Amino acid sequence: EAGVTQSPTHLIKTRGQQATLRCSPISGHTSVYWYQQALGLGLQFLLWYDEGEERNRGNFPPRFSGRQFPNYSSELNVNALELEDSALYLCASSLGIVMNTEAFFGQGTRLTVV
Amino acid sequence: AQSVTQLDSQVPVFEEAPVELRCNYSSSVSVYLFWYVQYPNQGLQLLLKYLSGSTLVESINGFEAEFNKSQTSFHLRKPSVHISDTAEYFCAVRKYGGSQGNLIFGKGTKLSVKP
Repeated sequence: EAGVTQSPTHLIKTRGQQATLRCSPISGHTSVYWYQQALGLGLQFLLWYDEGEERNRGNFPPRFSGRQFPNYSSELNVNALELEDSALYLCASSLGIVMNTEAFFGQGTRLTVV
Repeated sequence: AQSVTQLDSQVPVFEEAPVELRCNYSSSVSVYLFWYVQYPNQGLQLLLKYLSGSTLVESINGFEAEFNKSQTSFHLRKPSVHISDTAEYFCAVRKYGGSQGNLIFGKGTKLSVKP
């Protein structure tokens, strides 16, 4: 069974541009989470989607947005890119709003803003 | 709100030595606890989890962690490490129920095992 898949694996953008990152969850999982892993800052929670709705949002500006599609895949959009947005973006999925299930992570998208 | 503190950012050890990676959490409500491992240039993999029941949990590769409610800790231990254990380890908490079901992570501890 396929795990969580993310695309692209690497993305290079210039400051001010927009970036779109994609995530396909494990089959049967309805929850998708996005995390930013910037150098020295650990994993910062960005967004949580379940059943197509945004369930929670981390402390990030509105230019970080996303959505979840009917097939539970998800997209993270980052507008007006800044140099500090350079990071590894990790997507995870789990069995929806069932609190005692772990999240499974993809390999990440390495975003570089130049 | 929940928070996680990993007290050591880097832990260097020699092969076959024991190791303890420390994790403390802060929460006003009950939480689930997790340890994830990240090998270089990879995503995160679940190492072990505490949901309920026995406070000592074990992984298949020899790691164990003990939930200590009074000390709000969930330290990770291994009696004898291998070179292949070199990785970054993240402690995480997740609140029981409610809308904030996302994982909150510590800043990670880089374990470096030397021959």
